[in-house]
Amino acid sequence: NAGVTQTPKFQVLKTGQSMTLQCAQDMNHNSMYWYRQDPGMGLRLIYYSASEGTTDKGEVPNGYNVSRLNKREFSLRLESAAPSQTSVYFCASSEGYTFGSGTRLTVV
Amino acid sequence: KNQVEQSPQSLIILEGKNCTLQCNYTVSPFSNLRWYKQDTGRGPVSLTIMTFSENTKSNGRYTATLDADTKQSSLHITASQLSDSASYICVVSLSPQNAGNMLTFGGGTRLMVKP
Repeated sequence: NAGVTQTPKFQVLKTGQSMTLQCAQDMNHNSMYWYRQDPGMGLRLIYYSASEGTTDKGEVPNGYNVSRLNKREFSLRLESAAPSQTSVYFCASSEGYTFGSGTRLTVV
Repeated sequence: KNQVEQSPQSLIILEGKNCTLQCNYTVSPFSNLRWYKQDTGRGPVSLTIMTFSENTKSNGRYTATLDADTKQSSLHITASQLSDSASYICVVSLSPQNAGNMLTFGGGTRLMVKP
């Protein structure tokens, strides 16, 4: 099925551990985005990539890094996870019109 | 600061009833306003998209209205069904000329439809 695919769906990390969230889209969209969603708050933009080879910071980039590996894939990396990064992470493409199903991350 | 406020935060209605969700925004400049439906454990799915020149847009039993002068939008759900139970998110897009953070998300209204 066409769309945005995120992996993993769930993850528990210990404080200080690192991990990479993967995102891939098969719709040939140029732009891709990473958001986090916290209870009672709107989605907030972490990083985005307007096109292959470019990335830019969003509203809440601290503690994260991204890589636009190719046109299809856009990964989000937590180098040293903190409890404040416990959240649900969504990848989106095409200016936020298409979202993945999310990664629920818990940092203990 | 660009903001999108939604009300109510949560709502419970009986199956078959109608309901209206509200969205007020202060985003400027304004490109378009979207309503998304987010089922539990899933990503948001776009329901309607309206530019500043559009007053209403329908998608089946969902009808969105927009008053760009007062910066208010509403989403009306007709003859609710159990499957309408979800969070509904209002999203305002900045002018395309602004790069970066293109979308400002509201906190959502959590709707529960009971039999």
